[in-house]
Order: sequence, then structure tokens, then C-alpha cells
Amino acid sequence: KAGVTQTPRYLIKTRGQQVTLSCSPISGHRSVSWYQQTPGQGLQFLFEYFSETQRNKGNFPGRFSGRQFSNSRSEMNVSTLELGDSALYLCASSFTPLAGGQKTDTQYFGPGTRLTVL
Amino acid sequence: GDSVTQMEGPVTLSEEAFLTINCTYTATGYPSLFWYVQYPGEGLQLLLKATKADDKGSNKGFEATYRKETTSFHLEKGSVQVSDSAVYFCALTRPSGGSYIPTFGRGTSLIVHP
Repeated sequence: KAGVTQTPRYLIKTRGQQVTLSCSPISGHRSVSWYQQTPGQGLQFLFEYFSETQRNKGNFPGRFSGRQFSNSRSEMNVSTLELGDSALYLCASSFTPLAGGQKTDTQYFGPGTRLTVL
Repeated sequence: GDSVTQMEGPVTLSEEAFLTINCTYTATGYPSLFWYVQYPGEGLQLLLKATKADDKGSNKGFEATYRKETTSFHLEKGSVQVSDSAVYFCALTRPSGGSYIPTFGRGTSLIVHP
């Protein structure tokens, strides 16, 4: 099975611009989560999507948004970029079965998108 | 709230040395515990996990035992290799409304010299 894929792998933007990052989960995984990783703050949870709905949200400003499509692929968008948004953005997927099945608590991560804001 | 505390790095070892990276947690109930590894320029890879007290997770020579009495999940390896150089993250998850959003430690950098 192919792993979680993220595109692009590297991105350079300037302050004030906006950016869209893409994530394709492992086939069959319907939950997608996004994280921001920086040297200063470590790994911080952004949001989680399941069945095209945001199910959980971390403590980030409204400039950070996301969505999930019917095929479980997800995108996150950051508007009005700031220097402090420079980070590695990680996507993770997990398997959530249909009703009655056993849930899994393991997340599988993609390679990340390295965003640099100049 | 939930929290995970890892020993600060970097941990610097010679090849074939014994490795221990300490991890303790604070959480209510019975969380699942994980170790993830991040190699330079890559995302996080699941290394091992344990879902209940006294369970031992193991993979690629690494082991960790879920100790509920000491709320710990220390990572060990008997003989490290240069290729083990990476950042190691301890994490826990608890169910919350159908989700399992992990709480991560700050990560411990391991440097193995030949």
C-alpha cells in the first residue's frame, strides 16, 4: 500500500501571500490530520478531517483552514502568510472503520511540506 | 490535560552502545503509547506502540514497556547503529469523540558516532 503523500515537498512564499498544501492519505483511511512542526514549538495539532467534516481543531488562528474531499484527500490553506508560519507541515492519516468496527489509534505520517516564508 | 515529557537531547553515543530515551506521561484513563522516529528531511515514522499496561512494543531492535505504575514508556536498544541517528518522539493517544489525536513530547535527538 502506498503511504501518505504530500505535495509540494518544498515551498517558498513571501509575507502576505497565501498557500495551499495537499495530502493524499493511505488508501482506505478516512481520517486526515494536519500538524505544524517548528524547532521552537515542536509538533502542534492544526485540525482533523473525517468524512469531509472538520472533527477537531487545534489552537491556530483562522488564517489556517482546511478541507477534505470525498476521496479523503485533504488540503490545508494558510492565508496572509507571516514569517512565523515557516515550518514543516505534516499530514497524517488513520483508519476509521464503518460503524461497529474496531477503531485504530495509530496515525501514519507523510514526508511533510517544508514551507519557508520570506 | 494530557502531556508527554521526554529527556532533552541530544543524546550522543558510539556505535554498539546501549540506548535509553526516557519518556513519562500524564493522562487520565488508559492511553495508548507510541514512539515515532523522524530521520532528517522526512516525516514521522511509527516505530512501536503499546496499548495497555505491561505491554511491550518492539521493532527493529527497539523496545519499550508500558509501565502504568510509573507512567513511563522508556525506549531502549541494546546496540545502536549510525543509521539510528534521528529524532525520537514519544506520544500518547486517548479516544475523544471518535478521534485519537496524539499528544507528542518535544522529541529527543540521537546522534550515533562510528
